[in-house]
Amino acid sequence: QVQLEESGGGVVQPGRSLRLSCAASGFTFSDYGIHWVRQAPGKGLEWVAVISYDGKNRYYADSVRGRVTISRDDSKNRVYLQMNSLRGEDSAVYYCAGGGNMDVWGQGTTVTVAS
Amino acid sequence: QSVVTQPPSASGAPGQRVTISCSGSNSKIEDNPVNWYQHVPGTAPKLLIFDNDQRPSGVPARFSGSRSGTSASLAINGLQSEDEAVYYCTPWSDSLNGWVFGGGTKLTVL
Repeated sequence: QVQLEESGGGVVQPGRSLRLSCAASGFTFSDYGIHWVRQAPGKGLEWVAVISYDGKNRYYADSVRGRVTISRDDSKNRVYLQMNSLRGEDSAVYYCAGGGNMDVWGQGTTVTVAS
Repeated sequence: QSVVTQPPSASGAPGQRVTISCSGSNSKIEDNPVNWYQHVPGTAPKLLIFDNDQRPSGVPARFSGSRSGTSASLAINGLQSEDEAVYYCTPWSDSLNGWVFGGGTKLTVL
């Protein structure tokens, strides 16, 4: 069964860092690009970042560029989202989604940035 | 900055047909593929339509997508109560090398 599972969310103070993890199973992980998408409370979905299947290409939304780094470890079937200098507006449910069309989604992990 | 505009809400009675439209400002809907996602709050979003009008396996045929010029549309025939969700129009952005979500349309089945 194709599956993605996010972890690493929590409550963090403004200015601090957090690393989210996306674990994949049920498909050949190294064949697929992985995206991160977030939804702030009361808001719509927002695309955050993508890493290509081979890790060579990484792209970011303007709202996070310079503060966020996406990476992957194919030996562990995982993608990571390192978030630095966190702000209140980064509070959201973070989803990872697999495939060029974001075909498969995880259930999300919640990040709350608050003092 | 790309902006994708959708109506904030739509509604219909069971069995009816509903259409949700979206238009793009600088998102070049006419040049790039548009996907549609269905999101029931508290659950994982679901890919409903890809490449403007293609349905992934498992998505019922009563969901259909189309694109014309700078606009795209999602049509739902034979509305069912389980269709209550937020629907997102999502064109690809060459400048971003990523997807741009519209604001979402909350569909209510009356």
